[in-house]
Amino acid sequence: AQTVTQSQPEMSVQEAETVTLSCTYDTSESDYYLFWYKQPPSRQMILVIRQEAYKQQNATENRFSVNFQKAAKSFSLKISDSQLGDAAMYFCAHSGAGSYQLTFGKGTKLSVIP
Amino acid sequence: NAGVTQTPKFRVLKTGQSMTLLCAQDMNHEYMYWYRQDPGMGLRLIHYSVGEGTTAKGEVPDGYNVSRLKKQNFLLGLESAAPSQTSVYFCASSLWDFRDTQYFGPGTRLTVL
Repeated sequence: AQTVTQSQPEMSVQEAETVTLSCTYDTSESDYYLFWYKQPPSRQMILVIRQEAYKQQNATENRFSVNFQKAAKSFSLKISDSQLGDAAMYFCAHSGAGSYQLTFGKGTKLSVIP
Repeated sequence: NAGVTQTPKFRVLKTGQSMTLLCAQDMNHEYMYWYRQDPGMGLRLIHYSVGEGTTAKGEVPDGYNVSRLKKQNFLLGLESAAPSQTSVYFCASSLWDFRDTQYFGPGTRLTVL
C-alpha cells in the first residue's frame, strides 16, 4: 500500500524568504509520479508541481522547485521569494504506475508573514 | 472554459435524506473522480470513472453511488445520508489516468444533521 507522510502540520515563512515543505512516501513500485497540490482558502486545489520518478532532474516551476531523493523516498517542496498569495494548505501526493490511486498526505498549512 | 464545476456549493441534510452532487467538466477529460476531505485526513477517493458509462470504487465507497452517463458529467449520490458523511466533497478530472494532473472543482460542503 502507498503511504504519504507530511511531518509538518503547520509552517510559517517571512515574505520574500524561502521555505521548504517535507514529504516522504512509501511505495513498492519503481515507476510512479509525485505531486504537490496547493489548496488556498478558496478551497479549490491546483497543481503546483509534478515529478516523474524515472526522471533524475528535479522539477521546477517558477519559484517552486522540488528536491526528489528517490533512494530516501523523499520529495520536498521549496518555495523561493515567498509571497502572501502562497499562504495555503499544501498536499503531497503519490501515484504508482500500476495502481488506480492517488494517495494524498495530510497536508501542511503554510502561513506567510508580511 | 469553466474547467470543473460542482453543484451545489453548500447543502444541509437530515439523517436519512438523499441527495445528488453534480460535477461537470468541459475539458473533454476521460477520467473523473470524487473525493472527500475531512479535517486532518487529506483527500480520500470515493469513486472514480475511466470513461463514459464506467465507474469504479475507491478507498471509501460505502454509502455512496455514482453514475457517468455522459462524458462531461459525474454524479455522486447519497441514498440515506448519515452524520459520518459530513465532509467537503471534491470532484476532479484528468485527461488520462491517475498519473496525470488532476483538475479540481471548488468543492461542496455537506452537513448531515
